[in-house]
Amino acid sequence: DTAVSQTPKYLVTQMGNDKSIKCEQNLGHDTMYWYKQDSKKFLKIMFSYNNKELIINETVPNRFSPKSPDKAHLNLHINSLELGDSAVYFCASSQDGRLAASYFGPGTRLLVL
Amino acid sequence: QKEVEQNSGPLSVPEGAIASLNCTYSDRVSQSFFWYRQYSGKSPELIMSIYSNGDKEDGRFTAQLNKASQYVSLLIRDSQPSDSATYLCAVNMDGGSQGNLIFGKGTKLSVKP
Repeated sequence: DTAVSQTPKYLVTQMGNDKSIKCEQNLGHDTMYWYKQDSKKFLKIMFSYNNKELIINETVPNRFSPKSPDKAHLNLHINSLELGDSAVYFCASSQDGRLAASYFGPGTRLLVL
Repeated sequence: QKEVEQNSGPLSVPEGAIASLNCTYSDRVSQSFFWYRQYSGKSPELIMSIYSNGDKEDGRFTAQLNKASQYVSLLIRDSQPSDSATYLCAVNMDGGSQGNLIFGKGTKLSVKP
């Protein structure tokens, strides 16, 4: 049974479009994260939510908006997509916000044309 | 700027040898240190965490921490071809939530049969 799942797995879209990525975890963890891994494989945290509350919000363009309807779900909406947004986006979770991300989802490969 | 530095490699070792992966970090107040393994095209997996100076062993993996030198390493004993992956060093630099990690760019390890 998948611990952290993301949809879609691949996303190819045009510049200027708006898209969403969904994430769900069935581990009962309190904290969920969004990470971005660029073409050079550099992994960087974007957001963290603890029990639906935003606790980490790194310097990310406000075109990116996370939403957590409940503690098992953390979605990422991206407005006005740009070429530089092309990357792999990973959702992750941990038992609570004091701990490092322990489980990562399979990633969403976003390509902006 | 807070940084985590790793040699990008590739580091090539023969099967059965010890692989030594190194990481330095810039912020002296860092308290929490993690190693993730990422296979090509897959998501990162948390394999080790270390918080105190000295060694921490888990199976074939040993993490070593020297806070005075701002240095953390990962040793893999009896390396296997299945250990071939990119190893990411991550450091919590703000003393708060461990979820707020700074990642190095990773060292690619290749274990030759």
